[in-house]
Amino acid sequence: GENVEQHPSTLSVQEGDSAVIKCTYSDSASNYFPWYKQELGKRPQLIIDIRSNVGEKKDQRIAVTLNKTAKHFSLHITETQPEDSAVYFCAANGPSGYSTLTFGKGTMLLVSP
Amino acid sequence: EPEVTQTPSHQVTQMGQEVILRCVPISNHLYFYWYRQILGQKVEFLVSFYNNEISEKSEIFDDQFSVERPDGSNFTLKIRSTKLEDSAMYFCASSLRDPRSGEQFFGPGTRLTVL
Repeated sequence: GENVEQHPSTLSVQEGDSAVIKCTYSDSASNYFPWYKQELGKRPQLIIDIRSNVGEKKDQRIAVTLNKTAKHFSLHITETQPEDSAVYFCAANGPSGYSTLTFGKGTMLLVSP
Repeated sequence: EPEVTQTPSHQVTQMGQEVILRCVPISNHLYFYWYRQILGQKVEFLVSFYNNEISEKSEIFDDQFSVERPDGSNFTLKIRSTKLEDSAMYFCASSLRDPRSGEQFFGPGTRLTVL
């Protein structure tokens, strides 16, 4: 099955700095890679996703890059703000191409004012 | 904006008891999922449901678990005989299209505590 590794487990930055979270996946058949943000006690919410036919996608301060050859994808947050503090999960869809989303273990991002 | 809803928000039960967790997916969505998250750990896939049948299930989803869509709006997860290790947050999710092309929207979760 799919295996998703995520690093780092915690990331502390100063407000205004950039943050980068990296994930690797094992199944070359995976073709959908969402990123979820989960604030304490709340539901995971999709912040950005990328499909395997593109290498990069941007949405304001958030960008995701995908390297299919190396099987890794990264989340980039620029000009971080305290409200960006949360746990971020990467995920990849499963080998069957159907329902399964395999999640990484999460990265706790702390943005200090 | 439509949202996935779940009830109850918190369920406390005794070991060995049956529980039913309820979800109302977004009304025009076709794919339904259950995930669980043990405190402080990652979100884990349990089962997906499409066209009134299970599409996929993980190894976590053993014979103690079952899902049902009893009517046009509800999607339920039943745990037949709860164990201590079933204590977790259970998230329901739904999507309009299959997950290769469609975002999964998560509900707020049901925190299950097994004593």
